[in-house]
Amino acid sequence: QSALTQPPSVSGSPGQSVTISCTGTSSDIGFYNRVSWYQQAPGTAPKLMIYEVNYRPSGVPDRFSGSKSGNTASLTISGLQAEDEAHYYCSSYTRFSTVLFGGGTKLTVL
Amino acid sequence: QLQLVESGGGVVLPGRSLRVSCAASGSTFFSSYIMHWVRQAPGKGLEWVAVMSYDGSNTFYADSVKGRFTISRDNSQNTLYLQMNNVRPEDTAVYYCAGDASGNYYRLAYWGQGTLVTVSS
Repeated sequence: QSALTQPPSVSGSPGQSVTISCTGTSSDIGFYNRVSWYQQAPGTAPKLMIYEVNYRPSGVPDRFSGSKSGNTASLTISGLQAEDEAHYYCSSYTRFSTVLFGGGTKLTVL
Repeated sequence: QLQLVESGGGVVLPGRSLRVSCAASGSTFFSSYIMHWVRQAPGKGLEWVAVMSYDGSNTFYADSVKGRFTISRDNSQNTLYLQMNNVRPEDTAVYYCAGDASGNYYRLAYWGQGTLVTVSS
């Protein structure tokens, strides 16, 4: 299976909103509402930010939100802050009982 | 809260074997966690490798490692393992263990800091 498709990079200024897309197929994103998003700062382990499309774990700011339409999921970060600069990865459960990650998107806060 | 610490990484020759471990602490119920291995090649993105159910009865693998890697766990020792056989240069990566107690196979809430495996002659 091929990785989910994400844009390599996005950018925004402090206070603005940015959206990162994640495109899969009818065998993964389109099959289940089991999309997660992870944030990875340089030299650190990934951190779960969103699960099941639009749920936030305890401690994740409500500036982070998720959505899904068909085979494409999206992560929106509103009120952008300098500390949000990191790589973001989407993932989806698949109909084959496996997990698929996206290629990752580097978010730059200008 | 679950703390995870990976170990066992290092340099290994192509075609040889290596076992990496993941020690869990901070929770008395390691046996309640579904556990995964995820890897990240240098400068690249995340790649899911394998998952094991609470009691080890169910396992699933990525196609890229199926038949070569084996995930296992010892709940009495709060430890997860990844046995890597017939390794290839493309297996070079930081290997992370990750877990979740939600009962779902697709949510990875807790992560270790990773151990680097380098496959090279």
